[in-house]
Order: sequence, then C-alpha cells, then structure tokens
Amino acid sequence: QVQLQQSGAELVKPGSSVKISCKASGYTFTSYDMHWIKQQPGNGLEWIGWIYPGNGNTKYNQKFNGKATLTADKSSSTAYMQLSSLTSEDSAVYFCARREQLNWYFDFWGPGTMVTVSS
Amino acid sequence: DIQMTQSPASLSASLEEIVTITCQASQDIGNWLAWYQQKPGKSPQLLIYDATSLADGVPSRFSGSRSGTQYSLKISRLQVEDIGSYYCQQAHSNPFTFGSGTKLEIK
Repeated sequence: QVQLQQSGAELVKPGSSVKISCKASGYTFTSYDMHWIKQQPGNGLEWIGWIYPGNGNTKYNQKFNGKATLTADKSSSTAYMQLSSLTSEDSAVYFCARREQLNWYFDFWGPGTMVTVSS
Repeated sequence: DIQMTQSPASLSASLEEIVTITCQASQDIGNWLAWYQQKPGKSPQLLIYDATSLADGVPSRFSGSRSGTQYSLKISRLQVEDIGSYYCQQAHSNPFTFGSGTKLEIK
C-alpha cells in the first residue's frame, strides 16, 4: 500500500535552514509528482510546490521561491524540502502529498513534519 | 491567484443531520475541485475530486455538487466519525489554492 513517511519534528533557530524528508513506498516513486503543503497552527493549507522525481523537474508557488527547495533521491525513494532563512512565519506543519496521475489532486499524504522556529 | 472562499468557518450539527459546506471560486475553474477531510492531528484525506466524484473508500453519505463557480460538499447523515475540518482545493491552475476550512463539530 502507498505510504509516505516523513521525518520528525524540528526545532530550529531564526535565520537557519532545515531539510525535511518524505520517504515513499508502495508505488513507483519516479512516476508521480510529490507536492509539499504548509499548514500553520489553526490555519488552512498552502501549496508550496512539486517535484517530479523521474527527472527532477520542479515547480513552485511564487510565494515560496527562494524559501523552499525541492529535491528527490530516486535510489531511496525519498523527497526532500529545504527551507532557508527561517523566521517565525515558517513555523508550521509541512506535509508531502502524492499527486494522483490524471489531475492535480492529492491522493496520499504524509503525516506531516512540524517545524518550530524559535531562538 | 484563484481565491477559494469557503463557508461557514465552523459548524455544529446533530447526528444524522444534513450538513452542507460551500466554496466559491474567484474565477471559472470548471470541475477542477477537490474536497478533503482532516481529522484532528491527522493529515488531510481526499474525499471528492472533479467536484462530484467520490474518492475510493469514501462513504456514500458524502457528495459534491457544482453550480457555476460555487461548489458544495454535503454530508447526508452526519456521523460521529465525520468530525474534523474540511477544505476545498482548486486544481485548475498553479498555484493550487485551498479554502480556509470548515471545522465541523457534533452538537
């Protein structure tokens, strides 16, 4: 069965960077886009961008250009998101989610990784 | 960016009651709309796609409809396991945007 396993919670300092991971199993990793979505406490969902692990192509929400960098390792079926120049506004839960093949919906989600930015 | 205006922000209903949540798109998105359910402390799960199609394993008491740029999610007979938050998402164009969510509680 499809599973997306995310790395654990992170407590990081303002101005630093953090890299979180999403390990996929149960399907062909290189055949589906992986998307990343942000959820701030008590808030809604915000789409960050996607990567196609098959060729490394990426597309970002313009709002996250320069903030998020998406990569993928085909050998370990793992997608990564690096967040840089962290501020308190980056404190959130970050989900990875697989896009279903026909349209731009997300059919499987990871459990989320909480990132807390605090000095 | 396409704005998705979702209402109500919160909703309290009795078991077996009919519940309706709506999303208004700021422009034409056709049928490119999904609904997700997020239970407390969990990740969202796809309920409805293409505005009206039920995702695999979703109970038939959930249904979606469209009227122009207004989209609705209906729960025909509210069950206790339906508590949580619900979000719409437009899949028409980048950046993909979500509604602000509806928190559903049992009265």
